[in-house]
Amino acid sequence: NAGVTQTPKFRVLKTGQSMTLLCAQDMNHEYMYWYRQDPGMGLRLIHYSVGEGTTAKGEVPDGYNVSRLKKQNFLLGLESAAPSQTSVYFCASSPLFGTGVSYSNQPQHFGDGTRLSIL
Amino acid sequence: GENVEQHPSTLSVQEGDSAVIKCTYSDSASNYFPWYKQELGKRPQLIIDIRSNVGEKKDQRIAVTLNKTAKHFSLHITETQPEDSAVYFCAAFFSQAGNMLTFGGGTRLMVKP
Repeated sequence: NAGVTQTPKFRVLKTGQSMTLLCAQDMNHEYMYWYRQDPGMGLRLIHYSVGEGTTAKGEVPDGYNVSRLKKQNFLLGLESAAPSQTSVYFCASSPLFGTGVSYSNQPQHFGDGTRLSIL
Repeated sequence: GENVEQHPSTLSVQEGDSAVIKCTYSDSASNYFPWYKQELGKRPQLIIDIRSNVGEKKDQRIAVTLNKTAKHFSLHITETQPEDSAVYFCAAFFSQAGNMLTFGGGTRLMVKP
């Protein structure tokens, strides 16, 4: 049981290049999230997914796209990388539990992060 | 939207002393409040959480208190040890705001031996 696995762990890109970050979870969680963490700051939500085939925007979605074609995978894409996107990217997942307004407030499990530098 | 403020941003204590980190949130409908610990270069890890129907929760040397009326919650670490040194993040979850967890800015805790 690996939990949440992110690939790659490190990447250096040139401005304008594109790339995809992969997040995979083996806990059968319904919810998956992508965050970015900048030096000395907290985590900011980029996009999230409440189930296979669905995605939604978070706090800082501009410049990123996501896809959730399979329940266990959540992909984050940068179409045209910019230096402002240099950051550490964390993926997280959480289970669906309960019903009504309490259905999603379960602990989020994080991956080890992807350190992305854009020159 | 949800806003979470965390104080202090840095905290230095002597080994064995207690440490307290405080967070306030803006949305009175928030119903879930986790705390994460992040060591340098590692992933955030959940250390304790509390739901809105509970006022206090303890787990060994760690406790969290919640004051719904004042919209603030606090992390208490007693008998601090050097391995408690890390960045701690509070967060608040409002299930009707698109299933998003909003994080505070973090507190860097340094425990001096």
